[in-house]
Amino acid sequence: DGGITQSPKYLFRKEGQNVTLSCEQNLNHDAMYWYRQDPGQGLRLIYYSQIVNDFQKGDIAEGYSVSREKKESFPLTVTSAQKNPTAFYLCASSPDRGTEAFFGQGTRLTVV
Amino acid sequence: EDQVTQSPEALRLQEGESSSLNCSYTVSGLRGLFWYRQDPGKGPEFLFTLYSAGEEKEKERLKATLTKKESFLHITAPKPEDSATYLCAVNNFNKFYFGSGTKLNVKP
Repeated sequence: DGGITQSPKYLFRKEGQNVTLSCEQNLNHDAMYWYRQDPGQGLRLIYYSQIVNDFQKGDIAEGYSVSREKKESFPLTVTSAQKNPTAFYLCASSPDRGTEAFFGQGTRLTVV
Repeated sequence: EDQVTQSPEALRLQEGESSSLNCSYTVSGLRGLFWYRQDPGKGPEFLFTLYSAGEEKEKERLKATLTKKESFLHITAPKPEDSATYLCAVNNFNKFYFGSGTKLNVKP
């Protein structure tokens, strides 16, 4: 079955730690996105990539980093510089710019 | 400023009571408007894409319409399983802009 797989579903981070969230897609989509969702707020764009080895900052990129070495994979690292990382993180992909995006099931990150 | 506004924030309906959700947008270079359904603790599920004013799409009890500045998601005779948060998004080729969603609760 084609789709987007995010792992892990739940993640706990200690203060000062970096953690990496995985996102893999087998839809052969060019574009991939990372969003953050907080209660009562809309989805906010962290990073996006239109093609392998290229990515751009979104609206809230500070404290996050990404890589796009393979078309299928777009991992997100939440660094210790991100002061309020507790949130629900969503990865999405779309065939190209301007078309609908499809989402994974999300990773809930909690700082302990 | 590019933005998407959804109303109401929350909507409670009795089973069978039809209603509409609104999505208004001010985004330059609109490429498409998208509706999603999101259940608690899950990723958004794609419902519809609308590209031009006057376009309509239907799926079961849901119908989405588009004008030049807003979109409506009409829910006809809703059932409790339609309870979810409905998200609207617009795309201008560079990125998606999402609204905060309408949380729909349908009571039996």
